[in-house]
Amino acid sequence: DVQMTQSPSTLYASVGDRITITCRASQSVSRWVAWYQQKPGKAPSLLIYDAFTLKSGVPSRFSGSGSGTEFTLTINSLQPDDFATYYCQQYNSYSNTFGQGTKVAIK
Amino acid sequence: QLQLQESGSGLVKPTQTLSLTCNVSGGSVTGGGGYSWSWIRQPPGKRLEWIGYIYQSGGTFYNPSLKSRVSISIDRSKNQFSLKVTSVTAADTAIYYCARVGSASYFFDSWGQGALVTVSS
Repeated sequence: DVQMTQSPSTLYASVGDRITITCRASQSVSRWVAWYQQKPGKAPSLLIYDAFTLKSGVPSRFSGSGSGTEFTLTINSLQPDDFATYYCQQYNSYSNTFGQGTKVAIK
Repeated sequence: QLQLQESGSGLVKPTQTLSLTCNVSGGSVTGGGGYSWSWIRQPPGKRLEWIGYIYQSGGTFYNPSLKSRVSISIDRSKNQFSLKVTSVTAADTAIYYCARVGSASYFFDSWGQGALVTVSS
């Protein structure tokens, strides 16, 4: 299986900050990476797919980049609603896998 | 608007079979568009784990680590799909989510709210 490792595990930030979360794959997954946001007690919600394509309706302050083994999720001008846990997912192979999550917490 | 809702037993005894159903509304499980359907679970405090897919044709593909104990089926007449996990242990305790798989790709673009299943005697 392809292993997905996110960093950091927890990120402390303030409203208005620009933050970046990194996801590294144990082998190349081309551009087949998605990012999800999950709030406590809720299901994950798709933000970005195919590494950089924003799902319709997701604010433009979210962006994704990367290919191969290294991917990033960037949030420009962090908003109060953005404090949550974020997961990456690779789907290069049929047997897809998720990262362990990055919690974005209030500084 | 597409909505998915899980239902099923919330408490299962060890060695028994876990059964969950995902009811789909606002869309059809066999309505074209190239979509397929999936189950994903999240044990307490752990990362998400994909369980398997079912295609509109009824074909399936499972996580190799669970393949021997898992089956996913689709009921076109009820517009729902289901999950069974046999021989459960405490390690199967998790929130189970059903989800729609993106067309021509394998990300999950719509999710149910999740159903907590606890394995305990």
